[in-house]
Amino acid sequence: NAGVMQNPRHLVRRRGQEARLRCSPMKGHSHVYWYRQLPEEGLKFMVYLQKENIIDESGMPKERFSAEFPKEGPSILRIQQVVRGDSAAYFCASSREGVGEAFFGQGTRLTVV
Amino acid sequence: QQQVKQSPQSLIVQKGGISIINCAYENTAFDYFPWYQQFPGKGPALLIAIRPDVSEKKEGRFTISFNKSAKQFSLHIMDSQPGDSATYFCAATDMDSNYQLIWGAGTKLIIKP
Repeated sequence: NAGVMQNPRHLVRRRGQEARLRCSPMKGHSHVYWYRQLPEEGLKFMVYLQKENIIDESGMPKERFSAEFPKEGPSILRIQQVVRGDSAAYFCASSREGVGEAFFGQGTRLTVV
Repeated sequence: QQQVKQSPQSLIVQKGGISIINCAYENTAFDYFPWYQQFPGKGPALLIAIRPDVSEKKEGRFTISFNKSAKQFSLHIMDSQPGDSATYFCAATDMDSNYQLIWGAGTKLIIKP
């Protein structure tokens, strides 16, 4: 019974490059959430998706950031033209439909150099 | 209306003592209250959760106390151990709205041996 799988665990990108973070939810889970966390800080909500739908993207920066959760395959958080301020841990969580209980992946630590 | 206020921000407890973390909410539609535990470099892990139809839930050394009229809930860790040192997050959601978790800011707990 695999948990939420995120990859890569660590990602280094140069300023201006693109970062793609992947999240495979737990089996049977159709809801995915992405969070950002800076060191010594709490979780900042970014986006909430269901299969093929963005339900709430109120926490996503208007530019350079996008997310998708296709019918098949993992959810993808995409950051275009990364800047140093994008360096953070990005966590994905998943839950079953209609249930608030969410399970987290181990995160992707993005470092922009 | 949507906030969950968590206190204290940090807490130091002697080994064997009781750790108490408090959360308060405003939205009376919230009906599911989980607590998450996060170790450095790891994703948050669901620790224990409660629904408002009960006033207390206990799992091992961890207890949630819930006061519906005061709109407050708390996590108690009995016989605190150094291995409990972590950051703890409370959260809340409205299960009927099929919506995202609303998070507290986190409490960094240190258990002194």
